Amino acid sequence: GAVVSQHPSRVICKSGTSVKIECRSLDFQATTMFWYRQFPKQSLMLMATSNEGSKATYEQGVEKDKFLINHASLTLSTLTVTSAHPEDSSFYICSAGGRGGREKLFFGSGTQLSVL
Amino acid sequence: GQQLNQSPQSMFIQEGEDVSMNCTSSSIFNTWLWYKQDPGEGPVLLIALYKAGELTSNGRLTAQFGITRKDSFLNISASIPSDVGIYFCAGQLGAGGTSYGKLTFGQGTILTVHP
Repeated sequence: GAVVSQHPSRVICKSGTSVKIECRSLDFQATTMFWYRQFPKQSLMLMATSNEGSKATYEQGVEKDKFLINHASLTLSTLTVTSAHPEDSSFYICSAGGRGGREKLFFGSGTQLSVL
Repeated sequence: GQQLNQSPQSMFIQEGEDVSMNCTSSSIFNTWLWYKQDPGEGPVLLIALYKAGELTSNGRLTAQFGITRKDSFLNISASIPSDVGIYFCAGQLGAGGTSYGKLTFGQGTILTVHP
C-alpha cells in the first residue's frame, strides 16, 4: 500500500530555534498534503493544506508566518516551526493524497516536538 | 464549521466482546473513513466508505455509511488485546475543489481490552 514517511519522529529543541519536519510520499505522487497537530488524548486538528507548486492554505487561527509550509515537489512537503516556544510542543502529523479518484489519505508516523 | 460527534469517548471491554462506536455530523460528507491510532504513531486507515448505505468489512471490522450521509458506525467483533488504541472517524467532502482530501475528525474513542 501507499506509504508516507515523516521525519524526524521526535525532536527536542530550545525555545527560539526553528524546526523542520519532512513529509514524503514514497510510492505515489502527492499533489496535496495536509499537516495536522494533535495534543495528548485529543483529536487531530488540521493546520494547513499544502498544494504542490502553490501556497499553502492555512486553517483559521494558524499563523502562517510561524508554521511555514513548502511543497516543492510531488513527493515532499515540509513544515517549519519558526522561533519555537514551549506552547508549540505537540505531535505533528502529515497526510498525503494523490490525483483524483477515490484517494485514501495516508498518514505519516508523526513527529513529537518538545520545546524546552 | 463542520463538527463530528464521536461516541463513546472511551470503552473498557473484555477480550472476546464486540465493540460498537459511531459518529454523527451536523452536515453531509461524501466519504467516511475510520482510523486507528497507536500511541506515538500516525493514524492507520481501517475502512473507507464512499456511498450512502454502504456496508464494508475488513476482517473483524465492519463499518457503514449512513443513508443520510451524516453518520457512520464501526463495529469490532470478538475483540483481542491488540485492538487497544484510539479509533477516529473522519469525514471528507470528496474529490474536487479546495475541499479535496480535507478531513474532519471525530474526537476519538479510546478502546481498552482486558485479557
